[in-house]
Amino acid sequence: DGGITQSPKYLFRKEGQNVTLSCEQNLNHDAMYWYRQDPGQGLRLIYYSQIVNDFQKGDIAEGYSVSREKKESFPLTVTSAQKNPTAFYLCASSIAGSDEKLFFGSGTQLSVL
Amino acid sequence: AQSVTQLGSHVSVSEGALVLLRCNYSSSVPPYLFWYVQYPNQGLQLLLKYTTGATLVKGINGFEAEFKKSETSFHLTKPSAHMSDAAEYFCAVTRGNTPLVFGKGTRLSVIA
Repeated sequence: DGGITQSPKYLFRKEGQNVTLSCEQNLNHDAMYWYRQDPGQGLRLIYYSQIVNDFQKGDIAEGYSVSREKKESFPLTVTSAQKNPTAFYLCASSIAGSDEKLFFGSGTQLSVL
Repeated sequence: AQSVTQLGSHVSVSEGALVLLRCNYSSSVPPYLFWYVQYPNQGLQLLLKYTTGATLVKGINGFEAEFKKSETSFHLTKPSAHMSDAAEYFCAVTRGNTPLVFGKGTRLSVIA
């Protein structure tokens, strides 16, 4: 079945540690996105990529980094500079053009130890 | 800049009653509008979208929404609520060349 796979489902970060969230899609989509979800805040865009080897900052990119070396993969690193990383992180993809529907993964819950 | 405002962070309805979830948008150009649903600890699924054409859009699970330009609204309705409709609902907007901007969501509870 085609879809988006996020791993791990739960992740714990220690103080000063960088952690990487995985996002893989087999839908052959060009565009991929990372959103952060906090209770009562909706989804806020962290980074997005519309083509391999290119990505743009979203509204809350500080403390995060991404790479897009392969069409299928768009990993997100939460760095130690992100002081409030506890949130639910959602990866999504779409075919070219933002009027197309987003396909979402099932999310990663990141917590701080 | 585009934005959406969802009125009411929590809506509670009785089973069989009308569901009405409100969404108002702000956009300087004709918008593309979406409603997504999220069940606990899951990603979002598309319910319906408006791009151009007919202003009344029908989606999955009996939901529909009407684009009203004069009111800058895109409210989501369902004639009769089911227990399985309990979830969080998000309205979203884009101009078509930028990523979706989501509202803060409305949690729908259905009372038996």
